Amino acid sequence: AQSVTQPDIHITVSEGASLELRCNYSYGATPYLFWYVQSPGQGLQLLLKYFSGDTLVQGIKGFEAEFKRSQSSFNLRKPSVHWSDAAEYFCAVDPNQAGTALIFGKGTTLSVSS
Amino acid sequence: DGGITQSPKYLFRKEGQNVTLSCEQNLNHDAMYWYRQDPGQGLRLIYYSQIVNDFQKGDIAEGYSVSREKKESFPLTVTSAQKNPTAFYLCASSRELADNEQFFGPGTRLTVL
Repeated sequence: AQSVTQPDIHITVSEGASLELRCNYSYGATPYLFWYVQSPGQGLQLLLKYFSGDTLVQGIKGFEAEFKRSQSSFNLRKPSVHWSDAAEYFCAVDPNQAGTALIFGKGTTLSVSS
Repeated sequence: DGGITQSPKYLFRKEGQNVTLSCEQNLNHDAMYWYRQDPGQGLRLIYYSQIVNDFQKGDIAEGYSVSREKKESFPLTVTSAQKNPTAFYLCASSRELADNEQFFGPGTRLTVL
């Protein structure tokens, strides 16, 4: 079945440590790929997106993501986490590249410890 | 500043009552969307609209209705037919349907008592 999987429900990282949030998708063709962030009780903000081209994508707030076709993955990374990065992160795909709907993963909650 | 507004932020209703959630955008976007968010479930698409006077059902449209009489407005009505309406509702918009970059409003938390 077509799906977007974020294997980690909750991750805790020390401030200043590196971060990697995992995202896998199961669609036949390469979909458009997105990462969003949501602070508690707020809407979602787009961090970055991948449509084609360079498989390493730079986003806002120091985040980057790497598309790996062979692994059907689009993992989000940050070299040094700040306490303000604590939030919920959603991976999303547009499987048809048509913009009719984004399919969201169930999210990963990031906690940052001091 | 351009953006999407949703009101109210918190809404309480008695079971069996219809309730309408507001979504307004001043981004001049053609496409608008409604999502429902439940804890641990991610976001699920309720309805979307490509242009004025046109809208399509998403994955979980049962028990909901929408209208798109103006470009900037896309209200969502949660009807009494929706069996489990308590959730966080998010409105989004994009320049056009084929433009995948969606901008989200701050959300409305609906609690049915």
